[in-house]
This record gives sequence, C-alpha cells and structure tokens, in this order.
Amino acid sequence: DGGITQSPKYLFRKEGQNVTLSCEQNLNHDAMYWYRQDPGQGLRLIYYSQIVNDFQKGDIAEGYSVSREKKESFPLTVTSAQKNPTAFYLCASSIPGLAGEQYFGPGTRLTVT
Amino acid sequence: GENVEQHPSTLSVQEGDSAVIKCTYSDSASNYFPWYKQELGKGPQLIIDIRSNVGEKKDQRIAVTLNKTAKHFSLHITETQPEDSAVYFCAAGLGSNYQLIWGAGTKLIIKP
Repeated sequence: DGGITQSPKYLFRKEGQNVTLSCEQNLNHDAMYWYRQDPGQGLRLIYYSQIVNDFQKGDIAEGYSVSREKKESFPLTVTSAQKNPTAFYLCASSIPGLAGEQYFGPGTRLTVT
Repeated sequence: GENVEQHPSTLSVQEGDSAVIKCTYSDSASNYFPWYKQELGKGPQLIIDIRSNVGEKKDQRIAVTLNKTAKHFSLHITETQPEDSAVYFCAAGLGSNYQLIWGAGTKLIIKP
C-alpha cells in the first residue's frame, strides 16, 4: 500500500538533546513537508522540500533542521535550540507543479521534559 | 501576508442536523481550496476540495461552496453522524506554489 510513515508515534526526550523524526513515503511524490501542531491550533509549516537535495524554510524553521538526500525520505531534527519543542509533528507529501492534495502521515508526538 | 480565517472554532450540532463551517482567505490569487478532517491523534485526511473555476462541489453528504468575489468558501455536512465528530481544517493554495495556508480548525461535535 502506498502512503507516508512516521516513526515513532510517541517520542520522549530530555531537554538539551537533539532528536530526529523519521518520515518516509512510497507515493513517488517530489514535494514533502513538515508541520507542527500544538493543542487546539492549526498547522504551522516548518520546512518543505520540492525536490531531492533542496529544501526551504517555512514559517517556524528556527530550532529545526532537515535533509533531503532521497526522494522517499525527509527527516526532521529538533535541535536543543528549539525553545518549546513539545508538540505533534506531521509530515506530508504532494505532487509538485500545481497546488494540490497533501497526503499526511500519522504524526509523531514529541514530549521534551 | 496571506491569511485564512476559519469560523466557528467549535460547532456542536444534533445528530442528523446539518453543519456549516466557513473560511475566508486574503489572497485573491488563491485557486485551490481543500478541506481536511483530523481525528484525534491522527494526521489530517482530505475529504473534499474545490478549484477556483467551480462554484460548488458535492460528494455524498458533504459539499463545498466557493464565492470568489467575497473570497470565502464553506463546508456543508448534511445528515450528520457520530463519526463526523472531528476537527476540520480549511486551506487555500496557489497554483504555482507548493504551500497551503491553513485555517485554525473547527472542532465539530455531534450530539446523540
């Protein structure tokens, strides 16, 4: 089955540690996205990538980093510089060229204490 | 900058009644308007979308209407059922841009 996988579903880290969230897709989509969602709020764009080896900052990129070495994978690193990292993180992908449907993964809930 | 406002933030309706959620966008160049449903602890899932060359689109119990002049679009759910309870998000996109601008979400509660 085609889709987007995110792992793990729950992640716990101590303050000051970097943590990397995984996102893999087998939809053959060129574009991928990372969003942050806080309780009761909408989606805020962290980073997006239109093609392999290229990515752009979104609205809230500070304290985060990404890489796009393979079409299928778009990992997100939450660094110790992110002041409030506890949140629900969503990865998505889409067919580029025309604004269209974004397919979402199941999300990773990160808790930093 | 670009903005999408979504109302209401919470909507409670009796099972079987209709529900309407409204969104207003700021960028008149927007030409793609999807609606997503998010169940608790899951990723959003597209339920219906509309492009700017169409005024209305229906899919069984759900429909979306678009008023380009007023720059607003609405989601209509008829004959609501308990499984319709979720958070609904609207978004607006440009044809040449990869990004979607998201509304803040509406929590829909279906009362039995």
